[in-house]
Amino acid sequence: AQSVTQLGSHVSVSEGALVLLRCNYSSSVPPYLFWYVQYPNQGLQLLLKYTSAATLVKGINGFEAEFKKSETSFHLTKPSAHMSDAAEYFCAVSDPGGYSTLTFGKGTMLLVSP
Amino acid sequence: AAGVIQSPRHLIKEKRETATLKCYPIPRHDTVYWYQQGPGQDPQFLISFYEKMQSDKGSIPDRFSAQQFSDYHSELNMSSLELGDSALYFCASSSSPSGGASGELFFGEGSRLTVL
Repeated sequence: AQSVTQLGSHVSVSEGALVLLRCNYSSSVPPYLFWYVQYPNQGLQLLLKYTSAATLVKGINGFEAEFKKSETSFHLTKPSAHMSDAAEYFCAVSDPGGYSTLTFGKGTMLLVSP
Repeated sequence: AAGVIQSPRHLIKEKRETATLKCYPIPRHDTVYWYQQGPGQDPQFLISFYEKMQSDKGSIPDRFSAQQFSDYHSELNMSSLELGDSALYFCASSSSPSGGASGELFFGEGSRLTVL
């Protein structure tokens, strides 16, 4: 079974500050890892994904994440927060192969203050 | 580019009523997934279908059923609705059961069910 743990249900940053959203995974096989963003009353939008290629993954809107096997982590970062980044962010894991489903973390709400 | 289409976008029902949600996957995607997201919660996997057969099952209540049709669209049927069924229901599709080579699921905008 696979799972993800997102540390911190809420993260607050100032506009222009570094964004760091933490995600640790548990999986019996090398996983696929994803970050999704959800704006209020909207669907899930894929930010970026790791599928066993480069460990540093760049996504949309200036976000990136690094897969660290030794730490079983896939933290999401952005050098400079923008007000429009305020949303809920979900880390997700899947088992590449077979009839695997996507398992989400509990989510982290990013709050950006002026 | 065509995306996953869900209907209706909003639905209001009374307790003990029945509701049906529809999902139209991206063209040429053969796998459909249903997720339920309660208020302030993470999306929970309900059920998935590959080539019209159930491929995986999650925390779907017995009151719920789903199927995938020959045109690959899927319907989620919910009966004897309870207040706790109020949630955002997402459908996602992929090009294979494991999400294809990219492992990616493409999500629809969701159907918001409110049970009064």
